[in-house]
Amino acid sequence: EADIYQTPRYLVIGTGKKITLECSQTMGHDKMYWYQQDPGMELHLIHYSYGVNSTEKGDLSSESTVSRIRTEHFPLTLESARPSHTSQYLCASSESTDYLFGYTFGSGTRLTVV
Amino acid sequence: TQLLEQSPQFLSIQEGENLTVYCNSSSVFSSLQWYRQEPGEGPVLLVTVVTGGEVKKLKRLTFQFGDARKDSSLHITAAQPGDTGLYLCAGTFSGGYNKLIFGAGTRLAVHP
Repeated sequence: EADIYQTPRYLVIGTGKKITLECSQTMGHDKMYWYQQDPGMELHLIHYSYGVNSTEKGDLSSESTVSRIRTEHFPLTLESARPSHTSQYLCASSESTDYLFGYTFGSGTRLTVV
Repeated sequence: TQLLEQSPQFLSIQEGENLTVYCNSSSVFSSLQWYRQEPGEGPVLLVTVVTGGEVKKLKRLTFQFGDARKDSSLHITAAQPGDTGLYLCAGTFSGGYNKLIFGAGTRLAVHP
């Protein structure tokens, strides 16, 4: 049973559309992350949050934005989708910033922009 | 430039064989984690190693952290088709607030 949920699982949209990828977790974790994953490439951190009203950009530059109004919810928004945004987007959460704690990942959203 | 290099990139073996995959870096990590990712799913944490030279076992999987905390290996004994997946290593730095740096992964296929 998943404790972190991402919707939709798959999304095909046209160029220029605004989209929001949803991520919710039921574990009460303060720390949440968005990663981008392309085939054969490492996961790249694009956004993270250490709690409500806290968001930071990750190591990979992204045109997306995030918000954290509630602990359990960490949506990612693309104002104007482009084919270069085609990728797998993974949301994760962690109990702590202590390096002993691993991440719990959602199943991901596979986005295709045509 | 990848901070974490995983090898091999692909591995295709028969059921019952043993295998080792590697995760190498020139950087020292506070901890190193291994995840397995199946098609259409997110990565699932297998183990965290934090002490240089540490060895952890998870059934048929043996994980080792290098003495200098720059590298790690995953050994699977008597591989089974259920071991098929993408194996990812990820490291954290001291003071890095648990932001994980991932390798590109080793894609393992175990054939019956």
